[in-house]
Amino acid sequence: DTEVTQTPKHLVMGMTNKKSLKCEQHMGHRAMYWYKQKAKKPPELMFVYSYEKLSINESVPSRFSPECPNSSLLNLHLHALQPEDSALYLCASGLPRLLQGSGELFFGEGSRLTVL
Amino acid sequence: GNSVTQMEGPVTLSEEAFLTINCTYTATGYPSLFWYVQYPGEGLQLLLKATKADDKGSNKGFEATYRKETTSFHLEKGSVQVSDSAVYFCAQLYNAGNMLTFGGGTRLMVKP
Repeated sequence: DTEVTQTPKHLVMGMTNKKSLKCEQHMGHRAMYWYKQKAKKPPELMFVYSYEKLSINESVPSRFSPECPNSSLLNLHLHALQPEDSALYLCASGLPRLLQGSGELFFGEGSRLTVL
Repeated sequence: GNSVTQMEGPVTLSEEAFLTINCTYTATGYPSLFWYVQYPGEGLQLLLKATKADDKGSNKGFEATYRKETTSFHLEKGSVQVSDSAVYFCAQLYNAGNMLTFGGGTRLMVKP
């Protein structure tokens, strides 16, 4: 199994809603990532979890709240978002570089979020 | 700082034409280098990679050689197909951590 699975594929929410994006991998990877991608732009790193601990937060607003319940799952909780948060949210996983020389990341298909 | 620069698109080619997408990096040391491809409406897929100088990554007819002397990792394909139409991202993993730095992406459009 070399897949990273993200759900839902599409999400429409209002600015007062609370929703969550989910990501799952069964490759034994111990580093998991959330990226945000706007149209015609490269992915921008949001969060990195390493061994289920938050290791990097790229100054992301608190209306985005990540959670890593176990080594296979990564969630992104959304609350009080703004229309400008509409984007494709990509999850990725990989082995920490101490264990794997190349540092290759495996990406999911993404969750396309629209905030009304 | 560490950054990746790739040629701006869109690149429009006819089928069977030769493709080159330039990519240069500025990380110190010996980063790993990658090309990712993103088809319309999809996530990113790893296309090829190289982990040390003079390595050549190849996949699906695409090739890129890690050139330390020119800090480059240009993507090439001898004969493109319509199905190659996508956005291509060059990326590097710098030594300090587990984070990829992406270039701005290059949109390739191949016409029949």
